[in-house]
Amino acid sequence: DQQVKQNSPSLSVQEGRISILNCDYTNSMFDYFLWYKKYPAEGPTFLISISSIKDKNEDGRFTVFLNKSAKHLSLHIVPSQPGDSAVYFCAASASNAGKSTFGDGTTLTVKP
Amino acid sequence: EPEVTQTPSHQVTQMGQEVILRCVPISNHLYFYWYRQILGQKVEFLVSFYNNEISEKSEIFDDQFSVERPDGSNFTLKIRSTKLEDSAMYFCASSKVVRVETQYFGPGTRLLVL
Repeated sequence: DQQVKQNSPSLSVQEGRISILNCDYTNSMFDYFLWYKKYPAEGPTFLISISSIKDKNEDGRFTVFLNKSAKHLSLHIVPSQPGDSAVYFCAASASNAGKSTFGDGTTLTVKP
Repeated sequence: EPEVTQTPSHQVTQMGQEVILRCVPISNHLYFYWYRQILGQKVEFLVSFYNNEISEKSEIFDDQFSVERPDGSNFTLKIRSTKLEDSAMYFCASSKVVRVETQYFGPGTRLLVL
């Protein structure tokens, strides 16, 4: 039972353009959502989060949008930079406590 | 910046052998976690640990697995009798509070069971 899904295993964008990474979830108990970035040979690093009481959260170049009715969230990176090239994991939690359920990840490549 | 460290970075073992993966969480953190990622698959939660007790564990964390905080600094994951399917990257994480976005992950230990 895949409760958090990232349907695109990879995404390639040009430097300066927008990157949009998508994530879908099925469990209605999830009320807190996170995006992690992972470089090779490193652990995931927290990037940005959003609570279910919001539909948008912005932090610099990164914006997360949440559509609760569609059980869908997306991460927008504008403008994309080559250093953003990494694997991005969507994760979800019930009540922002302890355990996170991760998606499969999307490998983002930003070309100079 | 403080960081979570893990040793060893790579471990190769024979099926049926016991392995202990070690983690040093950030010093003032109180909550500790193990996750694993089988090659090409998602990161999966294994267990959370607080106040010297398991707080929550997943279905993966069966009787073959155990966790321990043997002293004030280390947090270990023991796999009693390894199976081929235990081959994965194991990530330790720690947090000061229980909020998920405050979890800091270590670099991982790549375990290969032959």
